[in-house]
Amino acid sequence: GQSLEQPSEVTAVEGAIVQINCTYQTSGFYGLSWYQQHDGGAPTFLSYNGLDGLEETGRFSSFLSRSDSYGYLLLQELQMKDSASYFCAVRSGGYQKVTFGTGTKLQVIP
Amino acid sequence: GAGVSQSPSNKVTEKGKDVELRCDPISGHTALYWYRQSLGQGLEFLIYFQGNSAPDKSGLPSDRFSAERTGGSVSTLTIQRTQQEDSAVYLCASSLRQENGYTFGSGTRLTVV
Repeated sequence: GQSLEQPSEVTAVEGAIVQINCTYQTSGFYGLSWYQQHDGGAPTFLSYNGLDGLEETGRFSSFLSRSDSYGYLLLQELQMKDSASYFCAVRSGGYQKVTFGTGTKLQVIP
Repeated sequence: GAGVSQSPSNKVTEKGKDVELRCDPISGHTALYWYRQSLGQGLEFLIYFQGNSAPDKSGLPSDRFSAERTGGSVSTLTIQRTQQEDSAVYLCASSLRQENGYTFGSGTRLTVV
């Protein structure tokens, strides 16, 4: 089966940088994704890493190391609206099944 | 459509009743997924469709749960003889390519009383 670990809560100051880590155990790994979910809302796709390295999209970057079964999401220039839950998700196996982590609740404080 | 549409948005049902949840994926998206999310929890995989076939049903919690997809488009998730532990938000998502991620609907909040 698959398992993912990420911190349950993180608090960071507005304007700062925060890194949310994700470690995973799976067989037949294809890629790591990140999703953002505001309270009461649906998850929205942020990024996908199929290969090792850093992917940058505006203030958000995501990193993957397949040899370490590890990835992270980096949020820069934090804004209050970034307060949300962030989920890492692993695609694995013969089909396009994606398994989600339990989520990291990010609180941005003034 | 422009996004993934789910109906109803809210459903309150009595224990033991059957419910049907509907999902309209983005036009052209061949892959469709059902997840459920309990309050403050992660997303639990239920079932995946590629076209009209379901190659992975491993997440369905019991035989009270079933799903179908017709015309490579609309999908319905049916829960028979609902139990209180079925109360959750049921999320549907569709995708074209994994690199573009899933697009989720707003979900159906199911409450079994």
